[in-house]
Amino acid sequence: GDKVKQSPSALSLQEGTNSALRCNFSIAATTVQWFLQNPRGSLINLFYLVPGTKENGRLKSTFNSKESYSTLHIRDAQLEDSGTYFCAADTGNTRKLIFGLGTTLQVQP
Amino acid sequence: EAAVTQSPRNKVAVTGGKVTLSCNQTNNHNNMYWYRQDTGHGLRLIHYSYGAGSTEKGDIPDGYKASRPSQENFSLILELATPSQTSVYFCASGDVGGRSSYEQYFGPGTRLTVL
Repeated sequence: GDKVKQSPSALSLQEGTNSALRCNFSIAATTVQWFLQNPRGSLINLFYLVPGTKENGRLKSTFNSKESYSTLHIRDAQLEDSGTYFCAADTGNTRKLIFGLGTTLQVQP
Repeated sequence: EAAVTQSPRNKVAVTGGKVTLSCNQTNNHNNMYWYRQDTGHGLRLIHYSYGAGSTEKGDIPDGYKASRPSQENFSLILELATPSQTSVYFCASGDVGGRSSYEQYFGPGTRLTVL
């Protein structure tokens, strides 16, 4: 968790609100992946990023390699968005992912 | 959509026993990985492979062996299981770049309890 730091560690949102999750890297990340671990424990791929921004429905993610961070924005949060969000960085040498400790999100009705 | 399967999904083993966790991928990916997930540590890499016949040590390889007999299959072997190896284990596959991304896809996980 030291090389990839996620914040906040936990978050509670009202349905319909917006939020942003952040990852800071102390390694030279070349690509970033964001995952959602659902209550059943499955890891769902959300984004794979080279430096830049991607958007998918209510989710938007940015990876800034020069400033060593990535963000995941959730718009209009829904109950099914609840779970733990992980970011993971790849330094480009061996294709190994280094994971953060996750942000646990609970969306309340 | 990438397809990675793991077996068994749940396993209870005794201390000192041998445990084999299996992973199969139908994506024709060259790279495969074994991670374990523990509270407070996130996911950590145990072993990985660049292709059939290859295995490499990850960040926490002690107490584990790996085997990659084919493109599709990657096994994690605990020769002498210990209670500290109680965890959830995830297998993943990924491609090697070129026209493909390096994106990794994960299996559903295996919950291992060592008594």
